[in-house]
Amino acid sequence: EDKVVQSPLSLVVHEGDTVTLNCSYEVTNFRSLLWYKQEKKAPTFLFMLTSSGIEKKSGRLSSILDKKELFSILNITATQTGDSAVYLCAVEDSNYQLIWGAGTKLIIKP
Amino acid sequence: NAGVTQTPKFRVLKTGQSMTLLCAQDMNHEYMYWYRQDPGMGLRLIHYSVGEGTTAKGEVPDGYNVSRLKKQNFLLGLESAAPSQTSVYFCASKKGPLRQYFGPGTRLTVT
Repeated sequence: EDKVVQSPLSLVVHEGDTVTLNCSYEVTNFRSLLWYKQEKKAPTFLFMLTSSGIEKKSGRLSSILDKKELFSILNITATQTGDSAVYLCAVEDSNYQLIWGAGTKLIIKP
Repeated sequence: NAGVTQTPKFRVLKTGQSMTLLCAQDMNHEYMYWYRQDPGMGLRLIHYSVGEGTTAKGEVPDGYNVSRLKKQNFLLGLESAAPSQTSVYFCASKKGPLRQYFGPGTRLTVT
């Protein structure tokens, strides 16, 4: 059975800290891995990763995929209170279906 | 472009009542999806569609039906609502290999 596992489930850090969120997967017919941010509303898109070893970056956020070890990480540097959210990882299969992880709840304390 | 819209935003039903949730997208996307999200959990796929006139079951299809009579609309029906269907429902759409775009969600409570 396909599955996506995120860790940790929750994380509390102080403003300015750097955090690393993990996503491991076992999905037949992998197509891509996506990261979304959710703040009490619909998920908003962060990154789509299809190739191993190529870092995607957007401001203080970056992500990388390892297709050999079947995982991805999402890094957030110099965290701000506005980064507090649930971060969702999902893997898309060849049928364009997404298998979602349970999410990591990130709390940034001022 | 309005993107993906969902109607209604909130609804309270009594057990046994029926209702239809409407999802509309104006981006000419082929793929459309209905998810539910329960507290502390990720999204679970209910049904999806790969094009007008086609639908398929996802991970948790029981108690729901869908229709895609027009490319831009994807309807989710609950024929006889149960308290276990209390959830937040998200619709999403995509074009080919690109990422999914989400609607704002519908919060449904079944008493």
